[in-house]
Amino acid sequence: DVQLLESGGGLVQPGGSLRLSCAASGFAFSKFAATWVRQAPGKGLEWVSGISGSGARTFYADSVKGRFTISRDNSKNTLYLQMNSLRAEDTATYYCAKAAGDIVEVPIAGTYWYQFPYTDVWGKGTTVTVSS
Amino acid sequence: SYVLTQPPSVSVAPGQTARITCGGDNIGPKSVHWYQQRPGQAPVMVVYDDSDRPSGIPERFSGSKSEKMATLTISRAEAGDEADYYCQVWDSASDHVVFGGGTKLTVL
Repeated sequence: DVQLLESGGGLVQPGGSLRLSCAASGFAFSKFAATWVRQAPGKGLEWVSGISGSGARTFYADSVKGRFTISRDNSKNTLYLQMNSLRAEDTATYYCAKAAGDIVEVPIAGTYWYQFPYTDVWGKGTTVTVSS
Repeated sequence: SYVLTQPPSVSVAPGQTARITCGGDNIGPKSVHWYQQRPGQAPVMVVYDDSDRPSGIPERFSGSKSEKMATLTISRAEAGDEADYYCQVWDSASDHVVFGGGTKLTVL
């Protein structure tokens, strides 16, 4: 059975840091891309970050770029989200989600075109509150 | 940045058909995916790649897409279908996953 279990959420002061973890089980973790998606209280879903199966390719929403870092340890079947310089607007439930495959990477005219698969399994989420 | 537009709310009578739309500029070439989120729960995928349905999702849920709009159709609506529904695409121009703002489905 595919399972994702987030941890690491909590209360942190503005400007502080927090690291979220997502323990995966029931599938070949390294063969699938993964994402973090958040949901502020009473609001919709907001994509935060994505990472390829190997960890070599990472993608970030503009709202977190330069402050958050996504990574993974495939030997431990674990996805991470390091969150620095936290702001009140980062308060949300953070979901870890498994993609249906790995990213597709196509070289075109000296650059790369990427296709990120849809997410087919979600964790239950962990809550982050940024407040003084 | 790419924007997906959904109606904030849709209402349907039990047993009738609900249609939730998702509009985006030049959405035709993109693959659209749909997620259901019941109150207090994590999202669950109900349609992927415009019109495919994961195992375990009732046939009452179906997806379609034209050049300008994707639609999630829920036939024979039930009280248990009450939830928020989100459409989602991958925008290769920005390398971003994009979600629509969500639609609250009420079955009354």
